[in-house]
Amino acid sequence: DAGITQSPRHKVTETGTPVTLRCHQTENHRYMYWYRQDPGHGLRLIHYSYGVKDTDKGEVSDGYSVSRSKTEDFLLTLESATSSQTSVYFCAISEVQGAPGNTIYFGEGSWLTVV
Amino acid sequence: QKEVEQDPGPLSVPEGAIVSLNCTYSNSAFQYFMWYRQYSRKGPELLMYTYSSGNKEDGRFTAQVDKSSKYISLFIRDSQPSDSATYLCAMSAATGFQKLVFGTGTRLLVSP
Repeated sequence: DAGITQSPRHKVTETGTPVTLRCHQTENHRYMYWYRQDPGHGLRLIHYSYGVKDTDKGEVSDGYSVSRSKTEDFLLTLESATSSQTSVYFCAISEVQGAPGNTIYFGEGSWLTVV
Repeated sequence: QKEVEQDPGPLSVPEGAIVSLNCTYSNSAFQYFMWYRQYSRKGPELLMYTYSSGNKEDGRFTAQVDKSSKYISLFIRDSQPSDSATYLCAMSAATGFQKLVFGTGTRLLVSP
């Protein structure tokens, strides 16, 4: 398994509270990604990072922010959690941007419930 | 209409069967095609990668791309109970994993 650790793995939080999910990698890969997975929607990219302090928005970035102060850590923050953000969140990493034959490695997921 | 369509299943087959999993897509610019396997409560893992049209084989798995029909398939021969998982197709028009578009996944159940 790729060295990706997500924390917390499970969290229940109340509407309106801030939540931070952490992704830690031991592979020294340059690229890191946050996805959410919902029934009927598949995996959708929230934000990604192409280096320390370099991040960009994905398809569903509204209500989320990210930070990457170290190569190994990529944080996803829900500034004010809403019930629509109840989901499974996956962190992913890749060594290169996506040249043919390379792959993206996913973490184990973080289950977030907003009540 | 979604860019990538995938039947959610579940698809139930007996052990040893040949399994066919499929995705259709609408964006004719897609040229990189992948299949991921996701076990319950785990992250997806890459199974097969295909560029443009044609077939690719890896052990019991064969990936097929028909760009003229905008249709991709994953065949599993001699299916095993350990193949029970959700299979996600993914595709992009350009290199760069941030461009990947995922299907919703097909759940496969292989019974002993």
